[in-house]
Amino acid sequence: EVQVVESGGGLVKPGGSLRLSCAASGFTFSSYTMNWVRQAPGKGLEWVSSISSSSSYIYYADSVKGRFTISRDNAKNSLYLQMNSLRAEDTAVYYCARVLYSSGYPSRNDYWGQGTLVTVSS
Amino acid sequence: QSALTQPASVSGSPGQSITISCTGTSSDVGGYNYVSWYQQHPGKAPKLMIYDVNNRPSGVSNRFSGSKSGNTASLTISGLQAEDEADYYCSSYTSSNTRVFGTGTKVTVL
Repeated sequence: EVQVVESGGGLVKPGGSLRLSCAASGFTFSSYTMNWVRQAPGKGLEWVSSISSSSSYIYYADSVKGRFTISRDNAKNSLYLQMNSLRAEDTAVYYCARVLYSSGYPSRNDYWGQGTLVTVSS
Repeated sequence: QSALTQPASVSGSPGQSITISCTGTSSDVGGYNYVSWYQQHPGKAPKLMIYDVNNRPSGVSNRFSGSKSGNTASLTISGLQAEDEADYYCSSYTSSNTRVFGTGTKVTVL
């Protein structure tokens, strides 16, 4: 059974840092591109970052570029999101999601974790 | 990258059909057939309902269908059921090799 489980969320002060993890199981993690998607309380979904299977291609939303770093460890079947210089507007549930391709393009997210809540507040 | 535009809410009676629109630009929805739709119940993770404009993943009811015309994609739910009450989000690949989500639509079954 495919599973992705996020962890590492919590309360952090503005300007602080936090590292999220996503543990994958039930599929060959090293073969898949992975995404981080977030959802602020009562708001919609926002794509945050994407990393290809071998970490060769990495993309970020403008809202987090220069502050967040996505990475992965295929030997540990794990995805990470290092979040620095956190702001109140980064408060959200952060989801890890697997990416499927169609004709060479990242087409959709088929499996999502349950998310981990990050709260940025003094 | 601006969010795709969806109506804030759509409602219908059981058994009726409803359609949710998703409007983007030629750099996302209009430029690629990689539009997907997600259903999200309160407190739950999003669930993939439609991908590549009009394809259903295994296990998703055939009451859900998708289409696209120009810069606007649409999700239609036919034979509306109480369990369809949820938030729905469209998403598209973009010319910047990123992904953009819609603003979200709350579906209410009257």
